[in-house]
Formats: sequence, C-alpha cells, structure tokens
Amino acid sequence: QQQVKQSPQSLIVQKGGISIINCAYENTAFDYFPWYQQFPGKGPALLIAIRPDVSEKKEGRFTISFNKSAKQFSLHIMDSQPGDSATYFCAATFTNAGKSTFGDGTTLTVKP
Amino acid sequence: DAGVIQSPRHEVTEMGQEVTLRCKPISGHDYLFWYRQTMMRGLELLIYFNNNVPIDDSGMPEDRFSAKMPNASFSTLKIQPSEPRDSAVYFCASNPSSGANVLTFGAGSRLTVL
Repeated sequence: QQQVKQSPQSLIVQKGGISIINCAYENTAFDYFPWYQQFPGKGPALLIAIRPDVSEKKEGRFTISFNKSAKQFSLHIMDSQPGDSATYFCAATFTNAGKSTFGDGTTLTVKP
Repeated sequence: DAGVIQSPRHEVTEMGQEVTLRCKPISGHDYLFWYRQTMMRGLELLIYFNNNVPIDDSGMPEDRFSAKMPNASFSTLKIQPSEPRDSAVYFCASNPSSGANVLTFGAGSRLTVL
C-alpha cells in the first residue's frame, strides 16, 4: 500500500525556534521525497526535496533529514519566522515521473 | 511562463448542477494531475494524464466525476450532478517527464455546492 504518514497535524512554535515535521513511508520503491509549502488561498509549492542516497539536505533555514533504513524523513525549520506559518506537506514519488503520494499536512503557526 | 492556470477561482452552485473546472498546464509539461483538497481528507489525487492520455483515474470518487485532456494545453474536470459533499478546493498540477519529479500547482478552484 502506497502511504505516507505525517505528524504532527499542527504545530505552534515561537519565533526563533525550531520546527520539526516528520514523515514515514512504506513503499521502498519511492526514490524522491519533496516537501511542499502551502499558504492560504494558494496551491502547494516545492520547498525542498531529497533523494534516498543522501542523509541530509540543507537549503537556508530548511533541512531535510532522511533515514532510509527506518523509512522516515523529516523537515527542520531553523530560526522559525512568522512568515513560515503555512501548511507543509511531505510527499513520496518516483524520479522517473508518475504520481506523488502526499502526507496529510502539518499546519505550522509561528508566534511572534 | 504564467504557471499552471486554473479557472474559475471560485464557484458557487446548487446541488444537481453541472460544474466544469478548467486547467492550462505549463507549456512542455507532459504530466497533468487533478487533486482535491478538503480538511477531512487532505490532498487526494483524482486522476492524472501523460501526454493527454489518462493513466490512473482510480481516485475519481464516482461516475459523477469525469476528466478530459483534449490537447496538451487544456484539461477539464467535470462534476455532474454536483452534490454538497463535492465542496472542496480542486487543484491542477503539471510536471515535465524529464528532470526532477516536482509538481507545479495552480492556485486552485474553490467549489461550494449548496
């Protein structure tokens, strides 16, 4: 069964804190793991992505940690800002195109 | 490029009416996806096309839903007859067959069925 489980459902963090969102997948055939960020009234947009041959990828304040043996990956937002308040979706898919399987989303609120 | 363009942005209709949502993918993108987003069910894949051909429609809720892609630059999602439980935001997304498998989403069509 192709499924991606995401937690927590919602997260409240103080400005400057670290936000952590976790995902777990089942299908070991997935070979590409993007994270999407969605602001109210907008469609999801790519934030950062990782392949399973890499354990960590960092872009600015955003870092993906990947544990292939545990079939888990997580998004870390360092120095969280109010502008980061959004819904975050993890996804699992295949490099050679095809459909993506999304987590249920995490609503992040960063308090000033 | 203007990105993925969806219309209408908002639609309010009465139960039993036909609803047609439209999507123009990014030029050159071979794949087109229709998703539905609700609070209860999150992002659900309804159907996707590759080179205008439907590949997987297993997510289409029932026969009231249909989707077409008559050419590479246009797709429609039709609901007939509509029901209140169809109320949701419908997203169209596209991506190319080469390069990273990353979806570009449109802004969505918010459907309210009264």
